[in-house]
Amino acid sequence: SQTIHQWPATLVQPVGSPLSLECTVEGTSNPNLYWYRQAAGRGLQLLFYSVGIGQISSEVPQNLSASRPQDRQFILSSKKLLLSDSGFYLCAWSVSQVTGELFFGEGSRLTVL
Amino acid sequence: KQEVTQIPAALSVPEGENLVLNCSFTDSAIYNLQWFRQDPGKGLTSLLLIQSSQREQTSGRLNASLDKSSGRSTLYIAASQPGDSATYLCAVTTDSWGKLQFGAGTQVVVTP
Repeated sequence: SQTIHQWPATLVQPVGSPLSLECTVEGTSNPNLYWYRQAAGRGLQLLFYSVGIGQISSEVPQNLSASRPQDRQFILSSKKLLLSDSGFYLCAWSVSQVTGELFFGEGSRLTVL
Repeated sequence: KQEVTQIPAALSVPEGENLVLNCSFTDSAIYNLQWFRQDPGKGLTSLLLIQSSQREQTSGRLNASLDKSSGRSTLYIAASQPGDSATYLCAVTTDSWGKLQFGAGTQVVVTP
């Protein structure tokens, strides 16, 4: 069966520090991968999606970037965090080439102080 | 631009009552609609997926309907239990890449 893992689960970082959140999927090949953010009092916002290794599409201009170095690995990064980057970051996957279910990880809670 | 609205924002019912959660969307050109459950501080759990050609889907005590032409979906949870307490989110797929547009959610509390 397929599983999705995110880490770290929680992170407290000072303003201006770098960020790296990692997501891996097991039990499937060539998945579509997504990063969403859920900020306090706001809905879920799609940040990035990827349909293959090295293929990243950005939905919202911001202080963050994403990379997909391997088929089932998706990384969210920042060189210098802002206070507004605080939030709950969720990675998700779906079967590629098919418009089907999205499956989410457990999330990473980022607090920028 | 697709907008998804969920009403009510919060709902409290006694155990045993049926739950009715509503979701509306402005653009009927969707690929599918998905209902999720989110417990506090946790990720999203997929409950039901309805393809755009379908009218409803059922899983155990859950039933979701879809009326694409009117831009509405309803999630029914029969005989609610305290364990059903959570936030329920609906989302529509807006393109072939599977990108979801979410509603703000309905927070449900089922009291014993």
